Amino acid sequence: NAGVIQTPRHKVTGKGQEATLWCEPISGHSAVFWYRQTIVQGLEFLTYFRNQAPIDDSGMPKERFSAQMPNQSHSTLKIQSTQPQDSAVYLCASSLEGLGENTLYFGAGTRLSVL
Amino acid sequence: AQSVTQPDARVTVSEGASLQLRCKYSYSGTPYLFWYVQYPRQGLQLLLKYYSGDPVVQGVNGFEAEFSKSNSSFHLRKASVHWSDSAVYFCVLSAGSNYQLIWGSGTKLIIKP
Repeated sequence: NAGVIQTPRHKVTGKGQEATLWCEPISGHSAVFWYRQTIVQGLEFLTYFRNQAPIDDSGMPKERFSAQMPNQSHSTLKIQSTQPQDSAVYLCASSLEGLGENTLYFGAGTRLSVL
Repeated sequence: AQSVTQPDARVTVSEGASLQLRCKYSYSGTPYLFWYVQYPRQGLQLLLKYYSGDPVVQGVNGFEAEFSKSNSSFHLRKASVHWSDSAVYFCVLSAGSNYQLIWGSGTKLIIKP
């Protein structure tokens, strides 16, 4: 079991460019979460999928951010027209069946730097 | 409202000394509680979790936590810390059917040689 795989580990973009971050959840896990982590804001929930369906995207900035889960083996987080304030570590996690007592397993994260 | 409070942003402990990281939660129902650890430049890893039974739960690397309903607390403890325990520790509440986790702000543990 390779755990949750996030690619790339580091991404540098210029202001205004697009960034796509990838996440491969643990096989058999039905829930996938995206978080953003910064020094200032700490850990922020972005969005949550269960069985590939979007359940809650209340943490996603309304503009420029979108997430998809086209199949059970990967999810993407896309940021259009990146801005310096988007610089953060983006963490993906998967869980067997959502929350409750189920454990979240996190990937190592993608560090996005917007210049 | 549901919330998790970690009152100590930073804790400094000498290697070999005992450790307690504090966590208080606010939730009217039966909580599911977790401690996660984040080592430098790594993702988050589960240390331990509680959702019923014995209020003292054992985790990895000698960590344990004690759930107290009367105090609404879930403090993390370790008898003897090692330099490799230096990390940020997060207390997390899962409020049953609510599909969002409530994260504490984290406590950075610094181990003095």
